[in-house]
Amino acid sequence: DGGITQSPKYLFRKEGQNVTLSCEQNLNHDAMYWYRQDPGQGLRLIYYSQIVNDFQKGDIAEGYSVSREKKESFPLTVTSAQKNPTAFYLCASSTTGGTGELFFGEGSRLTVL
Amino acid sequence: ILNVEQSPQSLHVQEGDSTNFTCSFPSSNFYALHWYRWETAKSPEALFVMTLNGDEKKKGRISATLNTKEGYSYLYIKGSQPEDSATYLCALRGKLIFGQGTELSVKP
Repeated sequence: DGGITQSPKYLFRKEGQNVTLSCEQNLNHDAMYWYRQDPGQGLRLIYYSQIVNDFQKGDIAEGYSVSREKKESFPLTVTSAQKNPTAFYLCASSTTGGTGELFFGEGSRLTVL
Repeated sequence: ILNVEQSPQSLHVQEGDSTNFTCSFPSSNFYALHWYRWETAKSPEALFVMTLNGDEKKKGRISATLNTKEGYSYLYIKGSQPEDSATYLCALRGKLIFGQGTELSVKP
């Protein structure tokens, strides 16, 4: 079955540690995205990539980094520079061009202790 | 940052009630609007992709309309069922800006 897989589902980290969230898709989509959700807020775009080896900052990129070495993979690293990393993170993919809808993973919940 | 606003934030209805909610967005440089349904413990799933002013789309008991000139879209649910309980998100395509969502709860 085609889809998007995020891991881990739940993650705890200590302050000052970097952590990497995995996102893999087998939909053959060129574009991939990372969103963050906080209580009472909409999904906010962290980073997106429209092609391998290229990515762009979204609205809240500070304290995050990404890579796009393979079409199917778009990992997100939450660095120690991110001031409020506790949140729910969603990865998505879509076709590029046109008005294609997003396909989402099930999310990763990060808690900083 | 473009603002996409959804109202109401939450809605509680009885089974069988019809309901509707609103997504408002800047009307300039419109490209497309998406509606998603996000059920608890699942991934958001696309309901509709709307591109043209006056678009009306329907899927079963759920339908949506689009007015790009005045910058709003309505989502309607006819005869709500408990399985319709979810958060409904709209998103402006282009920069992919999401609204905060409308959380719908349908009581049997």
